[in-house]
Amino acid sequence: SAVISQKPSRDICQRGTSLTIQCQVDSQVTMMFWYRQQPGQSLTLIATANQGSEATYESGFVIDKFPISRPNLTFSTLTVSNMSPEDSSIYLCSVEDHGGVTGELFFGEGSRLTVL
Amino acid sequence: GESVGLHLPTLSVQEGDNSIINCAYSNSASDYFIWYKQESGKGPQFIIDIRSNMDKRQGQRVTVLLNKTVKHLSLQIAATQPGDSAVYFCAGGTGGFKTIFGAGTRLFVKA
Repeated sequence: SAVISQKPSRDICQRGTSLTIQCQVDSQVTMMFWYRQQPGQSLTLIATANQGSEATYESGFVIDKFPISRPNLTFSTLTVSNMSPEDSSIYLCSVEDHGGVTGELFFGEGSRLTVL
Repeated sequence: GESVGLHLPTLSVQEGDNSIINCAYSNSASDYFIWYKQESGKGPQFIIDIRSNMDKRQGQRVTVLLNKTVKHLSLQIAATQPGDSAVYFCAGGTGGFKTIFGAGTRLFVKA
């Protein structure tokens, strides 16, 4: 299993500013995933981050709004740029473990952002 | 497109009773399905998984049933406990590691 730490755990941000969320994993992993969970909603995949290559973004998410870095096999950052109240969500970092039957995901505790 | 959805947004059960949470999916190409539990203020946590070539899998107090004919997935929790109170998500995925989550069911356990 993987242990994932996210920073910050929560923040209150002003409209128009940007915030970078950090994700640290206790083991080396090939792929890291960033999800968004809007209030009372399910998880939506933002992008997949591979070390050494550009992140792959899902439909509806763009690099200019959610730039991602993946400098090594244990760390990634997600930046939420030019924030608006609609960006108020929990942002979750996850990694996949292939040791089980299927691709089980391990999640961090999440970063709860409130944009005023 | 691929989607995974749930029949009921909330479920309330008496402590000690069995719980059944249902989920429907649309993509027949999903290789696997996973149930996650999310407690308040935490990230989702793996409960149990099942590959698409199986129809039943059992864990500790939990059983997942897969009916590919009607594209239906269920999670059964035996002897539900207060600690089982959480939001439960079904998720489906294919090779390529793209996992799609369903809407979630909130389980309330009454003491």
